Amino acid sequence: GESVGLHLPTLSVQEGDNSIINCAYSNSASDYFIWYKQESGKGPQFIIDIRSNMDKRQGQRVTVLLNKTVKHLSLQIAATQPGDSAVYFCAENIRSGGGADGLTFGKGTHLIIQP
Amino acid sequence: GAGVSQSPRYKVAKRGQDVALRCDPISGHVSLFWYQQALGQGPEFLTYFQNEAQLDKSGLPSDRFFAERPEGSVSTLKIQRTQQEDSAVYLCASSFVDYNEQFFGPGTRLTVL
Repeated sequence: GESVGLHLPTLSVQEGDNSIINCAYSNSASDYFIWYKQESGKGPQFIIDIRSNMDKRQGQRVTVLLNKTVKHLSLQIAATQPGDSAVYFCAENIRSGGGADGLTFGKGTHLIIQP
Repeated sequence: GAGVSQSPRYKVAKRGQDVALRCDPISGHVSLFWYQQALGQGPEFLTYFQNEAQLDKSGLPSDRFFAERPEGSVSTLKIQRTQQEDSAVYLCASSFVDYNEQFFGPGTRLTVL
């Protein structure tokens, strides 16, 4: 099938190493951020989220860092495994008065885990 | 079901045909979203429902796109008089309440010839 990773920035990491994927967001009013993983032929899969009143949040093997000053978000994956190979998107959500807005996705990074 | 399901998974249409894409959200999820994902790009928001109410349709690219969720569960995205630029993967997502994690379906890949 066609790869969702075409034309995207690519990060190649050795299996077992740590990886860091970066994302710059544009709207200073955004107050909720999410990282999604997307494998070819599948929908995005939630990895971890963070609200704007936090600057760090940890999950299993993953950590998200938020720097609101420079509008930067990063995803750290520890001890990468072959199954981590996918396209990773950051997304932001702006709270509106009428309810939730849809997510605004970044451009994505294609992570390749080398054996 | 265990997750969001979408049908059909693949749809090929001739230019000018109408298509209807179905989304079955996770049972009990109040919020439902449609996104369009072009090849090599991130998903782009199309429209949002809270139960049966369509609260935001600002992302629909033209009046050929129409979405409904009449009973607050299943949703249908309809595209009339399809054009080649409509070729994309159409993703549906649902969440329990606003501002919670959105769960995505596998998408419908639409190819317009």
